[in-house]
Amino acid sequence: GQSLEQPSEVTAVEGAIVQINCTYQTSGFYGLSWYQQHDGGAPTFLSYNGLDGLEETGRFSSFLSRSDSYGYLLLQELQMKDSASYFCALKGNRDDKIIFGKGTRLHILP
Amino acid sequence: DTAVSQTPKYLVTQMGNDKSIKCEQNLGHDTMYWYKQDSKKFLKIMFSYNNKELIINETVPNRFSPKSPDKAHLNLHINSLELGDSAVYFCASSQDPGRYSSYNEQFFGPGTRLTVL
Repeated sequence: GQSLEQPSEVTAVEGAIVQINCTYQTSGFYGLSWYQQHDGGAPTFLSYNGLDGLEETGRFSSFLSRSDSYGYLLLQELQMKDSASYFCALKGNRDDKIIFGKGTRLHILP
Repeated sequence: DTAVSQTPKYLVTQMGNDKSIKCEQNLGHDTMYWYKQDSKKFLKIMFSYNNKELIINETVPNRFSPKSPDKAHLNLHINSLELGDSAVYFCASSQDPGRYSSYNEQFFGPGTRLTVL
């Protein structure tokens, strides 16, 4: 089957850097995505890694290592508005399903 | 312009009732989805339609029936509502992920919070 593991909660300080890890298990793999969801809101797409390495989008970066079945989301210069849940999601190549991790709740302290 | 819209935003109903949630996307995408997010924030896919054709049907009670009249609309009808159906239901769309496509950014609607009493 397919599954993803990510920490349930992470706490960091405003202005700091935080890394949210995601490990996955799947028999086939196309890529790893990251989504952000604020309380009461809808998930919004942040980034996608189809190949190994780092993808950078402003303050957010995402990394993938296919050999380690591992990825992470890196958030820099944390702002209070970054307080949200972050989901990693994978697309396997056996069907069109997107499987989401259970989400990491990011708490930011002033 | 709203990319993916859902109605209603809130739905409160009694057990045993039948209800529908509507979803529309104006992005020109070929694929639409329904997700259920429970109280623990676990986001689970229920159905996926590609160009009006059902391509994913997860292990969902057959009380749930999706219907796609055209590729811009995907509605969800729920019969005989149960307490456990209480959740937030999200509609989403993406541009033709295809069976062999690697890129699949999904655009989510605002969600419908369903409460079954």
